[in-house]
Amino acid sequence: QKEVEQNSGPLSVPEGAIASLNCTYSDRVSQSFFWYRQYSGKSPELIMSIYSNGDKEDGRFTAQLNKASQYVSLLIRDSQPSDSATYLCAVNVYNNDMRFGAGTRLTVKP
Amino acid sequence: SAVISQKPSRDICQRGTSLTIQCQVDSQVTMMFWYRQQPGQSLTLIATANQGSEATYESGFVIDKFPISRPNLTFSTLTVSNMSPEDSSIYLCSVVGQGALGTEAFFGQGTRLTVV
Repeated sequence: QKEVEQNSGPLSVPEGAIASLNCTYSDRVSQSFFWYRQYSGKSPELIMSIYSNGDKEDGRFTAQLNKASQYVSLLIRDSQPSDSATYLCAVNVYNNDMRFGAGTRLTVKP
Repeated sequence: SAVISQKPSRDICQRGTSLTIQCQVDSQVTMMFWYRQQPGQSLTLIATANQGSEATYESGFVIDKFPISRPNLTFSTLTVSNMSPEDSSIYLCSVVGQGALGTEAFFGQGTRLTVV
């Protein structure tokens, strides 16, 4: 079993819709969870981090964490064409190294 | 936050040759991480570089193929040795530190390697 798994996509949503990205992880002791956005040809950039169960909102982005289910999600409200990118779920396992999911490519169509 | 300068940004190399990628961080960090990102794929951790000790390699990666140096707390190199077309990929160095959103991974600009 992979350490971090994401719905592989690609995911396509119309402009203004909600995009939902999902991620599961295998290591129960994981404490820190992250969503990175990566535009083509660019390095990943952090958009959300979450450490405790529940929801965390930042602008149009909401991260949800359920440690019992080992599940992390990212919701993007009012999706914009500029949100089109690959979204990487990452888990901080130990020693500060990050384990990344395969990524979900999101396309927001005008 | 941490700023990482990585070079070269891209290179085209002949098979059988080696390429050394450099990463310079603007602050001292205990660990630096080297990732590979193959076309259309996510990041795969190659190894963790610790200052003053041997790098720790992930399954599937060996020191003879990817030797790493970590001479001080702000610098590291990754060498891709005896390259083949299968090594064509983006290579990224990373450190973990405190950013505006808390703990996060910071990345260099990446090295796009093409082996012909």
